[in-house]
Amino acid sequence: EVQLVESGGALVQPGGSLRLSCAASGLTVSHNYMSWLRQAPGKGLEWVAVLYSGGSTYYAESVKGRFTISRDMSNNTIYLQLNSLRAEDTAVYYCASQWQAGEAFDVWGQGTMVTVSS
Amino acid sequence: DIQMTQSPSVVSASVGDRVTIACRASQSIDSWLAWYQQKPGKAPKLLIYTASTLETGVPSRFSGSGSGTHFTLTIINLQPEDFATYYCQQATSFPPWTFGQGTKVEIE
Repeated sequence: EVQLVESGGALVQPGGSLRLSCAASGLTVSHNYMSWLRQAPGKGLEWVAVLYSGGSTYYAESVKGRFTISRDMSNNTIYLQLNSLRAEDTAVYYCASQWQAGEAFDVWGQGTMVTVSS
Repeated sequence: DIQMTQSPSVVSASVGDRVTIACRASQSIDSWLAWYQQKPGKAPKLLIYTASTLETGVPSRFSGSGSGTHFTLTIINLQPEDFATYYCQQATSFPPWTFGQGTKVEIE
C-alpha cells in the first residue's frame, strides 16, 4: 500500500520556523515528484513546492525564499522547512506525490496543521 | 500563472440527481486537467486525470470531459457519499499547479 504520513505541525509565532516531515511507504521519494500543498481554514487548495526526482525544486511565489523542500533518501522522507512564518501561512499542509497519474496528485498524506499566531 | 475558475460555487442536489460542475482555464491546457473530491477533515482524493481518465477505484457514475479551456465533471445518480467539495486542477507539465476555488455539492 502506498502511504504518506506527515508530522511536525504546530503553533508558532510570527517570524518563527518549523520543519514538516512526510514519511513515504510503498513509493520511493527519490524516484517520484513530491510536493507540498496547503489549505488555509475554510479555503481552497494551494500548491506550495515540488521536488523532482532529479533534484530540481520549484516554489509558489508566496513562499519563495522562505520555504525549502528537501529529501532524505535513507529515510524515504521529504521535508518542508518553513522560515519567516506569517499569519497567512496558517493552513493544513499536505504532502502529495504525482505517482502514476501524470501531473495529477494521486497520493496524499493526511495533513498536518500549522498555526502562525502570537 | 494559469487561473482556474469553477462554477457554480455551491450545488444543491438530491440523491439520484445528475450534477455538472464546470471548470475554465485562463489559457489552453489541452487535456491536462484533474478533478478531486474532498470531504471535511480529509485529504483530497483524485477522481479523474487527463480530463476524462477515471482513477482506479472511482465509481463509473463520475465522468469528466473537455479540452482546451473548458471542462466539466458530471456525477450521475448522486449517492449520499458524493456530498463533498470538488476541485479542478490544471495538471500541465510545469509548476505552479493551480486549483479552482471549489464547488460544494450539498443536500437540497
